[in-house]
Amino acid sequence: AQSVTQLDSHVSVSEGTPVLLRCNYSSSYSPSLFWYVQHPNKGLQLLLKYTSAATLVKGINGFEAEFKKSETSFHLTKPSAHMSDAAEYFCVVSNTDKLIFGTGTRLQVFP
Amino acid sequence: GAGVSQTPSNKVTEKGKYVELRCDPISGHTALYWYRQSLGQGPEFLIYFQGTGAADDSGLPNDRFFAVRPEGSVSTLKIQRTERGDSAVYLCASSPSGAGGSGANVLTFGAGSRLTVL
Repeated sequence: AQSVTQLDSHVSVSEGTPVLLRCNYSSSYSPSLFWYVQHPNKGLQLLLKYTSAATLVKGINGFEAEFKKSETSFHLTKPSAHMSDAAEYFCVVSNTDKLIFGTGTRLQVFP
Repeated sequence: GAGVSQTPSNKVTEKGKYVELRCDPISGHTALYWYRQSLGQGPEFLIYFQGTGAADDSGLPNDRFFAVRPEGSVSTLKIQRTERGDSAVYLCASSPSGAGGSGANVLTFGAGSRLTVL
């Protein structure tokens, strides 16, 4: 069975400082992994996707994630946080058509 | 349309009532998904359609929940005899293709229908 564990329910950073949102996955097969973002009262938006090509994946809004098979991790990073990055972030795994979501990490950005 | 449209955006009902939630996917998308997101949780899979047929309904919690997609486009999620525990945001998503397609697993989500059962 596939699953993801988001290690932090809340992360707080100051504007202009780096962001790290941690995710570990469990999968019997080579997984597809995703990060989605959910702004208040908005639909879920795809940030980036890993499907066994390059292990470092670049997404929208300056986010990127690195697939590390040895650590079963897919952490999301951004060099410099912006106020507009404040949202809920979901790590997602799939090796079929079904997406399995983590419980989410709420990112707060302080001025 | 330009995105996935869900109606109503908010629905308040009383325990025991019947509810229908509608999803209008992106035109041409053959795959359609329903998820449920409870407060403070990640979305949970309910059902997946490929065309008109339900390819996977393993996430439906019980027989009070049912979904249809009769013409392979719009889908309706139906909940009978609603319970307070059904209160959640119901999310719909669509994708250009299902298993094996080049667009596999790239889901576009709607804004959701917030259901409150009093």
